[in-house]
Amino acid sequence: EEQLVESGGGLVQPGRSLRLSCAASGFTFDDYAMHWVRQAPGKGLEWVSGISWNSDNTDYADSVKGRFTISRDNVRNYVYLQLNSLRTEDTAFYFCAKGGGMVVAGRTWLDSWGQGTLVTVSA
Amino acid sequence: DIQMTQSPPSLSASVGDRVTITCRASQSISSYLNWYQQTPGKAPKVLIFAASNLQRGVPLRFSGSGAGTEFALTISSLRPEDSAVYFCQQTDSVPLTFGGGTRVEIK
Repeated sequence: EEQLVESGGGLVQPGRSLRLSCAASGFTFDDYAMHWVRQAPGKGLEWVSGISWNSDNTDYADSVKGRFTISRDNVRNYVYLQLNSLRTEDTAFYFCAKGGGMVVAGRTWLDSWGQGTLVTVSA
Repeated sequence: DIQMTQSPPSLSASVGDRVTITCRASQSISSYLNWYQQTPGKAPKVLIFAASNLQRGVPLRFSGSGAGTEFALTISSLRPEDSAVYFCQQTDSVPLTFGGGTRVEIK
């Protein structure tokens, strides 16, 4: 059974940093792109970032470009999201999701999701 | 960036009703359109990928159609467990973008 488990969320002050982790199991991790999607409480879904199977390609939403960095470890089966220069508008549940293929865009979909980790940015 | 516009934002229908949700892209996205269902407190779950392909395990009452800029998700006979928020997502180009969601309530 495919499983994704996020960790690393919490309460952080504006301007500070946080690192989210996502442990993957139940599938061949390095066959798939991985993504982070966030959802502010009571709001819709926002794609944050994606990384291709071999880390050659990373992409970001405009709202986080230059502040967030996605990476992956294909030996340990982890994907990470480094969140820097956090703002109050970054407050959200952050979901890790498995792509339907090796690349971030094109014929792909998010077919497995973690349960999410809550990031709260507040003074 | 490609904008995705869903309609209606919410709807209320009876068990057994046929329900259709539409999603419009701001430019052509071929068939790179997915549909997700999210129930309260849970992560989203993919229902339809590449516009019209039913994800394994999803009931046959769900179907997707469309190409280019106009897409639809149809529930042929609404069931109580279909009460949820539905989102479309384009994967034609980055940044990947979601529609604003449609809340489906059961009368």
